[in-house]
Amino acid sequence: GAVVSQHPSRVICKSGTSVKIECRSLDFQATTMFWYRQFPKQSLMLMATSNEGSKATYEQGVEKDKFLINHASLTLSTLTVTSAHPEDSSFYICSARGPGNTGELFFGEGSRLTVL
Amino acid sequence: QKEVEQDPGPLSVPEGAIVSLNCTYSNSAFQYFMWYRQYSRKGPELLMYTYSSGNKEDGRFTAQVDKSSKYISLFIRDSQPSDSATYLCAMSARGGGFKTIFGAGTRLFVKA
Repeated sequence: GAVVSQHPSRVICKSGTSVKIECRSLDFQATTMFWYRQFPKQSLMLMATSNEGSKATYEQGVEKDKFLINHASLTLSTLTVTSAHPEDSSFYICSARGPGNTGELFFGEGSRLTVL
Repeated sequence: QKEVEQDPGPLSVPEGAIVSLNCTYSNSAFQYFMWYRQYSRKGPELLMYTYSSGNKEDGRFTAQVDKSSKYISLFIRDSQPSDSATYLCAMSARGGGFKTIFGAGTRLFVKA
């Protein structure tokens, strides 16, 4: 299957700083990528849809100024958590639709953010 | 009513058992059906992908889709302790922005 790589897998930062998470499609081009947040023992919560070359589409209740998404190329989307606070600590996961724009989604390994 | 319903479990079975995981859904427009396995603190891994109704088999895993009943299943034969994980069903339709809807995930424990 298609491979999606996410980096870093784990990051710890101080409150008030910004953190960038990268999501790359390694062997295919992804015009659309998705960013999720997952709390312990809960399912995936879609935060936003990242579209290459255009603005991201955010889900209701997600602060676009807080979670900046950039999809600068067909293989890279980034999520920047700005002015992070302890309540932003979570597991963030990206996904991309597979080659041929079928219904399959392929996920990155996830990034665990801890804000002190 | 949620668009996709999935029993969160936990489901505990002995090694070697046949496991049956299920989801029901309400949107008849769904065409693409997926099952993901997620280990703790890892991203979901695509296990099975099915388009429309029917069965699909891959090794010890069998996925079934019954669109008339709006019901999908994942069967795991000869379950192993390494199968212990959370299993998420997911589905989408080509219209409406192709949004994927996930079930809550079922936590499975396979005891040695």
